[in-house]
Amino acid sequence: GAVVSQHPSWVICKSGTSVKIECRSLDFQATTMFWYRQFPKQSLMLMATSNEGSKATYEQGVEKDKFLINHASLTLSTLTVTSAHPEDSSFYICSASTDSSYEQYFGPGTRLTVT
Amino acid sequence: AQTVTQSQPEMSVQEAETVTLSCTYDTSENNYYLFWYKQPPSRQMILVIRQEAYKQQNATENRFSVNFQKAAKSFSLKISDSQLGDTAMYFCAFMSASVRAGKSTFGDGTTLTVKP
Repeated sequence: GAVVSQHPSWVICKSGTSVKIECRSLDFQATTMFWYRQFPKQSLMLMATSNEGSKATYEQGVEKDKFLINHASLTLSTLTVTSAHPEDSSFYICSASTDSSYEQYFGPGTRLTVT
Repeated sequence: AQTVTQSQPEMSVQEAETVTLSCTYDTSENNYYLFWYKQPPSRQMILVIRQEAYKQQNATENRFSVNFQKAAKSFSLKISDSQLGDTAMYFCAFMSASVRAGKSTFGDGTTLTVKP
């Protein structure tokens, strides 16, 4: 149980375009989803927290207009990187939690390369 | 704000031996959860073990055990009978129990290499 999927697992896009990453909880309803960014051999950096039906809460220094997060349902959250630039290339990880648990369930991550 | 410190960026151990990864944290809260996550080369985050702060007994999961010292704010992970598949980056994480589905604070990680 408690499986989280991400799609796509790997995406290459051209500079200036937008790319959407999906995060789905497959067998449970996620009241909260988290989006992280991770550079090689570094820790996870929390970008934002999203609750179903509410606006996402962004961490300090994260551009809201660049990283659009939508948590449309209890099983789906999306991260859209708008007007992507090479410096946005990174590994993006989502995780999901429920109100009945103090545990986060992680997706497998998405590798974004902007050329 | 909580902080989590992992003072060992890299460690190595011989297969079948025991290794301990260190983690210290700083918080003013009394109720919280501590976690160790493993991130192998696939980069999938895997929960290794969880400790509830109000429980004095140290958590164990097969070859993995923790030494939780609440007063010292220390939470080390011991891996016994190390296996090649244990090679990964390990993250210590803190989560407050005051808010359900709250965010976690992660340490910088320790890269563990198990040598044959």
